[in-house]
Amino acid sequence: LAKTTQPISMDSYEGQEVNITCSHNNIATNDYITWYQQFPSQGPRFIIQGYKTKVTNEVASLFIPADRKSSTLSLPRVSLSDTAVYYCLVTGGFKTIFGAGTRLFVKA
Amino acid sequence: ETGVTQTPRHLVMGMTNKKSLKCEQHLGHNAMYWYKQSAKKPLELMFVYNFKEQTENNSVPSRFSPECPNSSHLFLHLHTLQPEDSALYLCASSQEGLAEAGVRDTQYFGPGTRLTVL
Repeated sequence: LAKTTQPISMDSYEGQEVNITCSHNNIATNDYITWYQQFPSQGPRFIIQGYKTKVTNEVASLFIPADRKSSTLSLPRVSLSDTAVYYCLVTGGFKTIFGAGTRLFVKA
Repeated sequence: ETGVTQTPRHLVMGMTNKKSLKCEQHLGHNAMYWYKQSAKKPLELMFVYNFKEQTENNSVPSRFSPECPNSSHLFLHLHTLQPEDSALYLCASSQEGLAEAGVRDTQYFGPGTRLTVL
């Protein structure tokens, strides 16, 4: 499985756009890129998934360059409630491996 | 009730006790998972069940015993645990029951059971 690398932590302010980049140099042809959000003492929650180019939903956007060796999760206009850990995963079949994630702290 | 539910939400047990964690999914999914999340560690996949059959055992000690009687229910039986087993135990389910590459297998997680072993 492709290993992912993302920043350990990030700080932001309310109303700002936050971009979290993840590296996955060994991604396989059939793998997808999936992002989850986790609040303390809760299970992770699916945010967005993509294969290539750009995907957008009501929560976030996901940018994936042509070589697919990295991806960027974009959170528009964050609020205090977006403070959480964000996980980037490369998923193919059952074996989904979570890394350490990026701890985002949004300040007022 | 919708989504993935887990009971109990909190559990305190001694090392000689036997207890069970329960997970139920109301999403019509075919795959179910147990994860362990210790403090300051990433989630660790423990077991995977696909159409009630165990397809993954990630070198989990035998003091953890999973059971999947049907696609909607998953149990984790605990016995003679150690204090280092204290953690948040998360259950998840996903739609696809196929392990082939390319499956967009989004997992839906329950709220977890906070386990403390004394």
